[in-house]
Amino acid sequence: EVQLVESGGDLVQPGGSLRLSCSASGFTFRSYSMNWVRQAPGKGLEWVSYISTSGSTIYYADSVKGRFTISRDNAKNSLFLQMNSLRAEDTAVYYCARDLVGVAARDYWGQGTLVTVSS
Amino acid sequence: SYVLTQPPSVSVAPGQTARVTCGGDNLGSKSVHWYQQKPGQAPVLVVYNDNDRPSGIPERFSGSKSGNTATLTISRVEAGDEADYYCQVWDSDSDHTVFGGGTKLTVL
Repeated sequence: EVQLVESGGDLVQPGGSLRLSCSASGFTFRSYSMNWVRQAPGKGLEWVSYISTSGSTIYYADSVKGRFTISRDNAKNSLFLQMNSLRAEDTAVYYCARDLVGVAARDYWGQGTLVTVSS
Repeated sequence: SYVLTQPPSVSVAPGQTARVTCGGDNLGSKSVHWYQQKPGQAPVLVVYNDNDRPSGIPERFSGSKSGNTATLTISRVEAGDEADYYCQVWDSDSDHTVFGGGTKLTVL
């Protein structure tokens, strides 16, 4: 069974940093591209970042570029999101999501982890 | 930046057909994917590549596209279909994933 479990969400002050993790199981992690997608309270889905299978290709949403860094450890079946210079508007549930092979569609999602940026 | 436009809400009676639209420039050249999200839950992929269904998704869910508009059709709507629905594409010009604003489906 495919499972994606996020962790690391917390309450952090504006300007602070946080590192999210996503632990994957039930599939060959190194064979799938991965994404982070977030959802602010009461709002819609917003794509945050993409990383290819090897980590050689990475994309970011304009809203987080230069502040967030996506990475992965295929040996540990883990995906990460380092978030720096956090702002109130980064407050959201952050989901990790797997891409269908060869398709830019997210076929499995974690349950999400809540990041709250507030003083 | 690329924009996908969805109606904020759609209402339908049980047993009827619901249609959720998604519009965008040059949408005909992009693959459209659809997600269902129920309150407090993660999204679920219900249609990918315009009209393909992942395993486990009922045949009542189907997708289509004409010109610059994609449509998610839910036949024989059930109370359990009440959810938010999002369309999504990959914009190769910006190397960004783009989601529509979401449509709340209400089953009357």
